[in-house]
Amino acid sequence: SAVISQKPSRDICQRGTSLTIQCQVDSQVTMMFWYRQQPGQSLTLIATANQGSEATYESGFVIDKFPISRPNLTFSTLTVSNMSPEDSSIYLCSASPGAYTGELFFGEGSRLTVL
Amino acid sequence: GQQVMQIPQYQHVQEGEDFTTYCNSSTTLSNIQWYKQRPGGHPVFLIQLVKSGEVKKQKRLTFQFGEAKKNSSLHITATQTTDVGTYFCAAVYNNNDMRFGAGTRLTVKP
Repeated sequence: SAVISQKPSRDICQRGTSLTIQCQVDSQVTMMFWYRQQPGQSLTLIATANQGSEATYESGFVIDKFPISRPNLTFSTLTVSNMSPEDSSIYLCSASPGAYTGELFFGEGSRLTVL
Repeated sequence: GQQVMQIPQYQHVQEGEDFTTYCNSSTTLSNIQWYKQRPGGHPVFLIQLVKSGEVKKQKRLTFQFGEAKKNSSLHITATQTTDVGTYFCAAVYNNNDMRFGAGTRLTVKP
């Protein structure tokens, strides 16, 4: 299993600013992912955070807008850059200790509101 | 792109009634996972189904994977108020692509 800590848990941000979300896992994990979830909606994968190399982004998400770091097997950050109100959402970090398509553990999420 | 359809979107039941949510894919899946998200919470893994025709039970929850590995269901017998939340399937395709269904929001009236 894996316990995931995310911070901040919530924040209110001004348009045009950037915010970095941190994700810490209590054990080394193979895969880490970042998801976005609008209230009442499903989960949309933003990117796979690769340790030691550039993240792999899903269609519709780009590195300039959502730069991701993963310096080691337990930590990752997601930055939401040049925010607009459309970026208001819940951002979830997740990890899979085992296989690429194995069980996912999720952090408690970071709720961003952009004014 | 690969998509998985999940129905119904909402289900409101009286406590004690049964509940079922369904997921369907147009292409064969490698495996399928189910998650529960309580209101205000984060998704929590329930189970993974891998084999064709597989049936797994967790107390009042029964999970099925279709023979063709294209569909799956989650059935809850005699719902309780603690079952409230949104249930998501996560379809895993043979190229390791994972897609979450839209979710079924379950509310239970005591």
